[in-house]
Amino acid sequence: DSGVTQTPKHLITATGQRVTLRCSPRSGDLSVYWYQQSLDQGLQFLIQYYNGEERAKGNILERFSAQQFPDLHSELNLSSLELGDSALYFCASGSPLGTSGSGSSYEQYFGPGTRLTVT
Amino acid sequence: DAKTTQPTSMDCAEGRAANLPCNHSTISGNEYVYWYRQIHSQGPQYIIHGLKNNETNEMASLIITEDRKSSTLILPHATLRDTAVYYCIVRGAHNTNAGKSTFGDGTTLTVKP
Repeated sequence: DSGVTQTPKHLITATGQRVTLRCSPRSGDLSVYWYQQSLDQGLQFLIQYYNGEERAKGNILERFSAQQFPDLHSELNLSSLELGDSALYFCASGSPLGTSGSGSSYEQYFGPGTRLTVT
Repeated sequence: DAKTTQPTSMDCAEGRAANLPCNHSTISGNEYVYWYRQIHSQGPQYIIHGLKNNETNEMASLIITEDRKSSTLILPHATLRDTAVYYCIVRGAHNTNAGKSTFGDGTTLTVKP
């Protein structure tokens, strides 16, 4: 158990609909990362939040948005869903482990994922 | 983040050491090497990371070449439960907005009885 929780575990919805995926990070972790994993594209980074602020953006579609709340949980909103959005969505959290001359290293702890099926 | 190259697949006999190579020839001085694994459709699991020295923990050992252009993850006594996709990632420090991680395709390790 990584300490990261994601809800729901499974989600089945129709094209054109909107869904919200929720992630609670490990206690004490300030960063939350969202990833999408589909069969033909591997694990793709979507977006990162750090202590409530957007920190980095990856290949996130304009139809998708995310936010991190003051209690540090995060939500990923997916709208106007298409068949191609069917995938596993993972959330990860992390914090710096320590510092060296090159800056901090850090682990990422992944949640169990939400499997989204768009029909 | 530097790009990594890993073999697509490897087999290993149960009880033997599994040595998984990774090339990261464009790694820069402030980038760490991380290894994760993903068992079936579970969330990826952190294994180990390093900067330039070899590292060992309860799961594995990480050997980084002196020029840092490649590394090897060693599972000393592979078990059937180690069958997974192993990802080698290179990325910068957390505080430099380097949260992106390019996981690539990884190496599918199959441990056989």
